Amino acid sequence: GQSLEQPSEVTAVEGAIVQINCTYQTSGFYGLSWYQQHDGGAPTFLSYNALDGLEETGRFSSFLSRSDSYGYLLLQELQMKDSASYFCAVRDQDTDKLIFGTGTRLQVFP
Amino acid sequence: ETGVTQTPRHLVMGMTNKKSLKCEQHLGHNAMYWYKQSAKKPLELMFVYNFKEQTENNSVPSRFSPECPNSSHLFLHLHTLQPEDSALYLCASSQDGQGGSYEQYFGPGTRLTVT
Repeated sequence: GQSLEQPSEVTAVEGAIVQINCTYQTSGFYGLSWYQQHDGGAPTFLSYNALDGLEETGRFSSFLSRSDSYGYLLLQELQMKDSASYFCAVRDQDTDKLIFGTGTRLQVFP
Repeated sequence: ETGVTQTPRHLVMGMTNKKSLKCEQHLGHNAMYWYKQSAKKPLELMFVYNFKEQTENNSVPSRFSPECPNSSHLFLHLHTLQPEDSALYLCASSQDGQGGSYEQYFGPGTRLTVT
């Protein structure tokens, strides 16, 4: 089975850089995804790492290291609108299901 | 309408009621999902429909009954629920041949309260 752990909460100020970690125990998966969910809103897809390394999309970057069973989402030049919950997810290789992490609530302060 | 829509957005029901949640996707996807989101818990996959066929039932109690009449519509029929079933119910869709695409598109959810 799969389990993905994330810090429950992270705080930062506007303009700062923050890293949200995702550590996992898995028997096999296709890749690591990240989703953002604002309060009262729907989760929205941010990024996907099929291979080890860094993927950059604007202010957001995502990293995966399969050998370390670890990934992270890096948010740069933080803005107030980035305050939201962030979830990592893996697609289980055995069941083909998307398994979500526990979620990290990011609060950005002025 | 664009994306994935869900109705109603909020629902309060008694334990003896019967209600249904509706989801519609306007993205031309071939897979649809129901998830349950409870406070401080990961998103829990409940059901997967791929090409209108149910491919996954994640050990969900029978008081939850899904229906997928076509690839654009998904229902979740509810009856004799328990207070612990109170949660946000999210519908999602993806274009995928296996039913587990890494990029899923979510609706805004239905906030369900069971009294």
